[in-house]
Parts: sequence; C-alpha cells; structure tokens
Amino acid sequence: GESVGLHLPTLSVQEGDNSIINCAYSNSASDYFIWYKQESGKGPQFIIDIRSNMDKRQGQRVTVLLNKTVKHLSLQIAATQPGDSAVYFCAEKREGFQKLVFGTGTRLLVSP
Amino acid sequence: ETGVTQSPTHLIKTRGQQVTLRCSSQSGHNTVSWYQQALGQGPQFIFQYYREEENGRGNFPPRFSGLQFPNYSSELNVNALELDDSALYLCASTLLMTRDGYTFGSGTRLTVV
Repeated sequence: GESVGLHLPTLSVQEGDNSIINCAYSNSASDYFIWYKQESGKGPQFIIDIRSNMDKRQGQRVTVLLNKTVKHLSLQIAATQPGDSAVYFCAEKREGFQKLVFGTGTRLLVSP
Repeated sequence: ETGVTQSPTHLIKTRGQQVTLRCSSQSGHNTVSWYQQALGQGPQFIFQYYREEENGRGNFPPRFSGLQFPNYSSELNVNALELDDSALYLCASTLLMTRDGYTFGSGTRLTVV
C-alpha cells in the first residue's frame, strides 16, 4: 500500500536551535514531495517542495532533503523561532494522480 | 489575489442529516480538491473536481459527493451523516497541468452529534 509516515510525533526545541523533522514514504513511484505547516485553526500552508530528480532544495530558513535510496524526506528549519510552532506534514504525489498523500504530522514546539 | 475561502467555519449536525460545505478557489485556479482531516491525523483525499467533473476520488463512500461550478467554486455534500464524519474538511485549489502547488483553505469544522 502507500503511506507517508513520520518518525517523531512531537519535537521540542529551544528558540534559535536548528530543527529537523523527518518523514518516511513507501511509494517509490512518488515524484513530488511537499512540506506543509499547519497552525491551530488553519489549513495546511505550503513551505517547500522537491521533485524526485533532486536531493536537496533550499528556501528561506528551510531546507528539504530527499533520499530516494531509503525513501526518506527531511525538513530542516534554521534558527527556529516561536512562530515556527505548528504541526508539520510531509505529503507526496505521483505524476498523473490527483491526490496528495499526507502523513500524520509532527508537532514542533519552540520554547523561548 | 484572494486565497481559498471556505464556509461555514464551524457546523454542528445530527447523525443522519445532510450537510453542504462550500469552497471558493484561489483566483486563477481551475481545480478543487477536498480533504477530510480527523483530529490528530493528516488530511485524507476525498475527491478532486476539474472542468465541473470529478477526476479523482479517494476511499470515501458515495454519500460523499461534490459539485464544481463554472466559476471553479465547489461544494462538498455528505448525506446520512455518521459520528465518524466529524472532522475538519479542507478545500484546496490549484491550476491543473502546471507546477503550481495546492493552496488550502482554513477548513470547515464539522461536528456530528
């Protein structure tokens, strides 16, 4: 079957630390991966994406790494801020298929 | 440019009733998807609409149905509500056949009692 799962349900960090959120996926045919941030009472907000022909992509304070050999995806947040506190989801998509497949999420708690 | 808007924000229904949720897609987007998000879980794909037709469906029973209108807005209808239908229902829009991502609305929180 297909699933996108996460290693840790909750991650607690201090403000200013770097955060790493991990995700394992099982569908080797997936060709597009996205990280979303969901704050309480809001819908998922796009953070960064990566296609399967890449292994790294950087954004503002965020980096996504893709290891297709072990089907692993990670989101790195530099200098984590209290405003980064939220639930983070990885999602995958296959070309030609309509749906995003989400994991269960990791809650990031940032202490001042 | 407006984002995805959903209405209502909260709703309480009784088991067995029917409900209609609404979604206005982001300007320039022509495709709408609906997701169900149970508490503490990731969103689950219900279906997607493009050119006013369903063009993809997840593992949801036929009592979950939808519509898309010429202005690309959409409705999600759920008949014969069950307690397990209590969830956050999310709408997402995109421009199909492009590399545009999906923009999500804030959702409708449905509680079935």
